[in-house]
Amino acid sequence: EVQLVESGGRLVQPGGSLRLSCAASGFTLSNYWMSWVRQTPGKGLERVAHIKKDGSEKFYVDSVKGRFTISRDNAKNSLYLQMNSLRVEDTALYYCARDADRGGDLDFWGQGTLVTVSS
Amino acid sequence: DIVMTQSPDSLAVSLGERATINCKSSQSVLSSVNNENFLAWYQHKPGQPPKLLIYWASTRESGVPDRFSGSGSGTDFTLTISSLQAADVAVYYCQQYYSTSTFGQGTKVEIK
Repeated sequence: EVQLVESGGRLVQPGGSLRLSCAASGFTLSNYWMSWVRQTPGKGLERVAHIKKDGSEKFYVDSVKGRFTISRDNAKNSLYLQMNSLRVEDTALYYCARDADRGGDLDFWGQGTLVTVSS
Repeated sequence: DIVMTQSPDSLAVSLGERATINCKSSQSVLSSVNNENFLAWYQHKPGQPPKLLIYWASTRESGVPDRFSGSGSGTDFTLTISSLQAADVAVYYCQQYYSTSTFGQGTKVEIK
């Protein structure tokens, strides 16, 4: 059974940093592109970062470029999102999601981890 | 970036009736390479992660009831729930994955 379990979300002050983790099981992580998608009340769903199977290519939405870094450790079956210079508008539920091997649709999602940026 | 616009923002439908959600992209998401539309639909219920319903605009994901169907091509797409069930109350999103990825703003479906 495919499982994605996120962790690391918490309350953090503006300007602070946070590292999210996603533990994958039930499939071979190295065979799939992976994404971080966030849900905010105001903007709905937004894919913030996307990483190739071997980690050699990474893509970011403009609003997080230069602040967030996506990475993966296929040997540890893990995906990460390093979040620096956090802003209030980064407050969201962050999901780890698997890209289907046929394209960029997202066929499995974790339950999400909540990041709250507030003073 | 490709902008995805859904309509309506919300709709209320009686049980057993048809629900129709529209999604329009600011540019075509039809690939000339494989002749597929890079368009997916998701169902999102409170407290749960989004669930993939449809990919390639009209292909149902495994296990998705056949009352859900997707149609359209190029820039205009539709998700239809042929006979609304109580379990279908949710927010529905379209997503293009032709050029990076962007989602529509969501359509909330409720029971009338």
